[in-house]
Formats: sequence, C-alpha cells, structure tokens
Amino acid sequence: QKEVEQDPGPLSVPEGAIVSLNCTYSNSAFQYFMWYRQYSRKGPELLMYTYSSGNKEDGRFTAQVDKSSKYISLFIRDSQPSDSATYLCAMSASSYKLIFGSGTRLLVRP
Amino acid sequence: NAGVTQTPKFQVLKTGQSMTLQCAQDMNHNSMYWYRQDPGMGLRLIYYSASEGTTDKGEVPNGYNVSRLNKREFSLRLESAAPSQTSVYFCASRLDSNNEKLFFGSGTQLSVL
Repeated sequence: QKEVEQDPGPLSVPEGAIVSLNCTYSNSAFQYFMWYRQYSRKGPELLMYTYSSGNKEDGRFTAQVDKSSKYISLFIRDSQPSDSATYLCAMSASSYKLIFGSGTRLLVRP
Repeated sequence: NAGVTQTPKFQVLKTGQSMTLQCAQDMNHNSMYWYRQDPGMGLRLIYYSASEGTTDKGEVPNGYNVSRLNKREFSLRLESAAPSQTSVYFCASRLDSNNEKLFFGSGTQLSVL
C-alpha cells in the first residue's frame, strides 16, 4: 500500500464549477501538507501549504486537512480553463522528506 | 530570474551508456534534490543535498550518483543506463531543509532504449 493515495483522474468539469481534489494517507506522523500544480511538460509549483490540521484559504483555493481521517482536500472555486493541470499532494513527517501523491489530472472545459 | 535550470531537456540513450544531468539554481538555496517522475508513481526522491558538501540517498538511489559541485550546482549521473531509468527527472531546491517551499526545474525527459 502506498503511503499517499490520489485518484489519477482525469477529472473534467465545466468552467465555473467548484473542484474538489483529495488525497488519503496512512502515516499518522505526517504534519506538513502541500498541494503542487503541474502544467504539461513543466515542473511542479507550490500552490498551498498547511501545517497540521485545519483550513487555509488563498484566493480561489482552499486547502483542508483532517488528520483524524488521514484525508486532505484542495477546493478550487470558480474554476477556469487555466486551472487545467495535474495537481499533486505532498506531505511529510519531518520537513526534509516529502512524499508525493501520483497526481490528479484536471480539465476545465470552457 | 532563472530559478532552477536543468539541462538537457530531452535525451535518448542506449542501454549501458552514461550521462550527467545538470542542475543549477540562482536563488542562493542551501538544499537541492533530484526526483524522478513516472506515470502512476508520483515524484520519487533519488538523492538530495541538504547543504553544500553533503549528499544523501533518497527513496530510489540505485543506478545513480550525484555531485554537489558548489552551492549552485547539483548534478545527477547515470553510469550505465538501463531501460528502467526511462523517466522524467526533476531537480528542485529550497532555502534549507526546514523550509517547505520547493522550487522545481522544468525537467529532463530521458529515454533509455
């Protein structure tokens, strides 16, 4: 069993929809949680960072962490075609070693 | 502001050939990393360098070597390439090992025939 599980998609939604992306994990020691966005043929870029449990909001993006369920989510409001990318969750117990999910492909249709 | 620069962008090798992937960052970061990305596997850490002068194995180090040439540059070497090393390779850096923000290069697509 992988330490971090992520549905590969693709997830296809119409423009303006609310998108929910999720990851589950098995290691209860994880306390740093991140979401990266990766456009085709590009390197990942950090979108959101959360330490421990709770919510964090940044513009149209909201990250949620539920440590009791070992479940993290990224919500995208008013999705745009420019949001079409692969979204990778990442997490770590100590800050030096990140474990990445395999990524979810998102397609936002105009 | 170049960030993290990787060369080459594409490479095709024959089994048994060797090559070095180059990575340089201009952000004065202390920590640098090499990952490989395969379909369905996510990003897996090959080697990392927490600071200049140190290197350590990651999750999948077999078949690779690294050199932290100076603070800016961190190279990855394949001594005898194998088809299983066909992948996309990413170099990344961050200010130090306690900083959460990793900056990635644009990747090297490597095919080993």
